[in-house]
Amino acid sequence: GAVVSQHPSRVICKSGTSVKIECRSLDFQATTMFWYRQFPKQSLMLMATSNEGSKATYEQGVEKDKFLINHASLTLSTLTVTSAHPEDSSFYICSAYSGGLFTDTQYFGPGTRLTVL
Amino acid sequence: SQKIEQNSEALNIQEGKTATLTCNYTNYSPAYLQWYRQDPGRGPVFLLLIRENEKEKRKERLKVTFDTTLKQSLFHITASQPADSATYLCALEEGGKLIFGQGTELSVKP
Repeated sequence: GAVVSQHPSRVICKSGTSVKIECRSLDFQATTMFWYRQFPKQSLMLMATSNEGSKATYEQGVEKDKFLINHASLTLSTLTVTSAHPEDSSFYICSAYSGGLFTDTQYFGPGTRLTVL
Repeated sequence: SQKIEQNSEALNIQEGKTATLTCNYTNYSPAYLQWYRQDPGRGPVFLLLIRENEKEKRKERLKVTFDTTLKQSLFHITASQPADSATYLCALEEGGKLIFGQGTELSVKP
């Protein structure tokens, strides 16, 4: 159990375009999903916390108008990188948390490698 | 906020030996601490969680200790295998969120 998927696994786009990344919890309902960004040889940095049916909470320094998060259901959250630039190139990882069932543990997706040309 | 320090240098050990990885934190002791494994180009995989009132936790060849006096957690892999080669991350809970260390890369040579 506790499988989280992400789509796509890799995406290459031109500067100025928008990219949508999906995160799904496959076998449980996620009350909360988290979005992280990881640069090479660095730690995972939390970007935002997303609760189903409410607005995402963004970490300091993360532009909410650039990184749009939608958590429309208990199994799906999306991250849209708007007007992407080369400095947005990174590894984006989501995680899902179900609260009671898998208490205190976040289950991570496989990640999405974004390259902006 | 918390600062987490893991050995930034890669750890190279021989197959069959015990690998010991260190995670130090600077501020208050968290309610719990977790260890994850991350392979290149993949998301982290949860391994173990240890709570502040637990001294030690085991799972198969893995053992985690939590010393709130030293503000340190140790992660041990006994009888290490080449398949254990990966980056290991520790993460602390802070305000309902996870704060990650930068990870230690482990390489187990046959």
